[in-house]
Amino acid sequence: DTAVSQTPKYLVTQMGNDKSIKCEQNLGHDTMYWYKQDSKKFLKIMFSYNNKELIINETVPNRFSPKSPDKAHLNLHINSLELGDSAVYFCASSQERDSRGTDTQYFGPGTRLTVL
Amino acid sequence: KNQVEQSPQSLIILEGKNCTLQCNYTVSPFSNLRWYKQDTGRGPVSLTIMTFSENTKSNGRYTATLDADTKQSSLHITASQLSDSASYICVVSVFSGGYNKLIFGAGTRLAVHP
Repeated sequence: DTAVSQTPKYLVTQMGNDKSIKCEQNLGHDTMYWYKQDSKKFLKIMFSYNNKELIINETVPNRFSPKSPDKAHLNLHINSLELGDSAVYFCASSQERDSRGTDTQYFGPGTRLTVL
Repeated sequence: KNQVEQSPQSLIILEGKNCTLQCNYTVSPFSNLRWYKQDTGRGPVSLTIMTFSENTKSNGRYTATLDADTKQSSLHITASQLSDSASYICVVSVFSGGYNKLIFGAGTRLAVHP
């Protein structure tokens, strides 16, 4: 039983194309995230949604548009793909219970995006 | 600027040996510190989470320490196993704008050899 799942696992595409990555969590969490892991292995937050509402939006190009149809899903759509978008994208979810923010974030397996 | 620095960058040890990984951070306002394990090709998995008032936390053979005064943390792995081969990532949570945001270190890549 996969807790946080992402599709596809691998995505190879040409520059300029538009692509989407899907994420689903079956943990009943109300907060979901998208992270980007670059070639230097740093993970950086891109977006966070709480109950379908955007709460964190780091300085990500507006070619990236997250969409949350319900609190179990957070999809990432990318327009006009560029070479620099090549990375591994991770979805995560958590149940934030208090302001200490100590709840565990559960990560998906990642989607390796390669832009040619 | 919020930063998390880890050392060493990589480490090789023999199975059964202990090791300690280091993390220094310059993050404000500090909310909590986490250690994650990331196997190759997988998402990170949480090992420990410590708040400002906690200075040690264990999870099986993993023991994390936190010195909030010097802004340092360590992860000690006891009696290493081959399955411990992975990247270990130190993550500091910043409380900003009413929400917690995670700042990730680059990780220490650990290889355990038989």
